[in-house]
Amino acid sequence: KQEVTQIPAALSVPEGENLVLNCSFTDSAIYNLQWFRQDPGKGLTSLLLIQSSQREQTSGRLNASLDKSSGRSTLYIAASQPGDSATYLCALEGGKLIFGQGTELSVKP
Amino acid sequence: DTGVSQDPRHKITKRGQNVTFRCDPISEHNRLYWYRQTLGQGPEFLTYFQNEAQLEKSRLLSDRFSAERPKGSFSTLEIQRTEQGDSAMYLCASSFSQGENEQYFGPGTRLTVT
Repeated sequence: KQEVTQIPAALSVPEGENLVLNCSFTDSAIYNLQWFRQDPGKGLTSLLLIQSSQREQTSGRLNASLDKSSGRSTLYIAASQPGDSATYLCALEGGKLIFGQGTELSVKP
Repeated sequence: DTGVSQDPRHKITKRGQNVTFRCDPISEHNRLYWYRQTLGQGPEFLTYFQNEAQLEKSRLLSDRFSAERPKGSFSTLEIQRTEQGDSAMYLCASSFSQGENEQYFGPGTRLTVT
């Protein structure tokens, strides 16, 4: 059974810092991995999708990596801004999505 | 706005009542998913459709829950005899099964059972 873990559960950083969010999973038989952002009380916004054959994807200040052999993905956020404050979720896709519990990020001005 | 819409956005109901939610996916997407999210947790998969066919149901989907996608377009999720434990955000997503199968989520329906 696929299990997804995100560490840390919460993170607070000052504006301008670079930061890394971690996601680990138990079963490497995945198709894709998606990173999402969720603002309080809202739906999910897809940030990046990494196909199982890829190792990383970049979009603006975001870079996500995937290492299937170690069962890990990281989301790197460069030069963090207060507007980045949200919960970040990783999800493994094998037909349906299996989510981690998320990392709640707070970027202080 | 991802192009996936859900209605209603909020629903307050009394325990024992039936409720129905609607999801309209992105028009060219053939897959439609339902998830449930409780406070502080990641979403949990409930069920998904490819066109009209319901291909998978989670054990979370008890016999009080039923989902339909009659014409392969919009979908409804009905909960009968609601319980307080059903209080959650119900999220709908859609995707196109060819290619990356990237899922796009709607804004969710927040259900409160009193």
